[in-house]
Amino acid sequence: ETGVTQTPRHLVMGMTNKKSLKCEQHLGHNAMYWYKQSAKKPLELMFVYSLEERVENNSVPSRFSPECPNSSHLFLHLHTLQPEDSALYLCASSQVRTYSDTQYFGPGTRLTVL
Amino acid sequence: EDQVTQSPEALRLQEGESSSLNCSYTVSGLRGLFWYRQDPGKGPEFLFTLYSAGEEKEKERLKATLTKKESFLHITAPKPEDSATYLCAVQAADSGGSNYKLTFGKGTLLTVNP
Repeated sequence: ETGVTQTPRHLVMGMTNKKSLKCEQHLGHNAMYWYKQSAKKPLELMFVYSLEERVENNSVPSRFSPECPNSSHLFLHLHTLQPEDSALYLCASSQVRTYSDTQYFGPGTRLTVL
Repeated sequence: EDQVTQSPEALRLQEGESSSLNCSYTVSGLRGLFWYRQDPGKGPEFLFTLYSAGEEKEKERLKATLTKKESFLHITAPKPEDSATYLCAVQAADSGGSNYKLTFGKGTLLTVNP
């Protein structure tokens, strides 16, 4: 595997289900991100983990819960979601430096909440 | 608040018809400007990073330029395989030391007809 991988690629869940999204980066980076992409909207940053510590939570509802057990793996735990949470969820990673760094994205998980 | 506006929202070109996409930005201090390409149902693919006004970068039929207020993505003699959504994002200098946050535009959907 190379780059950033995400599983599953597609997920359909009911509002009462609990599921998890998984992301793995094979780039040796030290920061990982979750983004939400909805139709006609810019990418929205949800969570950032830098050096395995969560450094920003962009006022995301508590029904989304991130977990970063090490610098290569990132999870997004989902529970009691709403239909408006249906979107493409993207994971990204980067090497945090003192100057600008580039974020590399995974293929995304297309989530549908019924 | 950082802002990114991309225009046009959609652009249709004939194969071989050169054109440019625009990304206007407002940021307190620019650390970097990024261009990504995104195919339907996939994650954004990194194209270029520009750091300072006057900088230019090229890759195959694409050339990105940067001024103090905007960036252009020039597409020379496009082919149907260049059809995609092109995303622009800015990374702002942050006095708090965080250098990870990207602010994205909504993107330009490019369609190149054979």
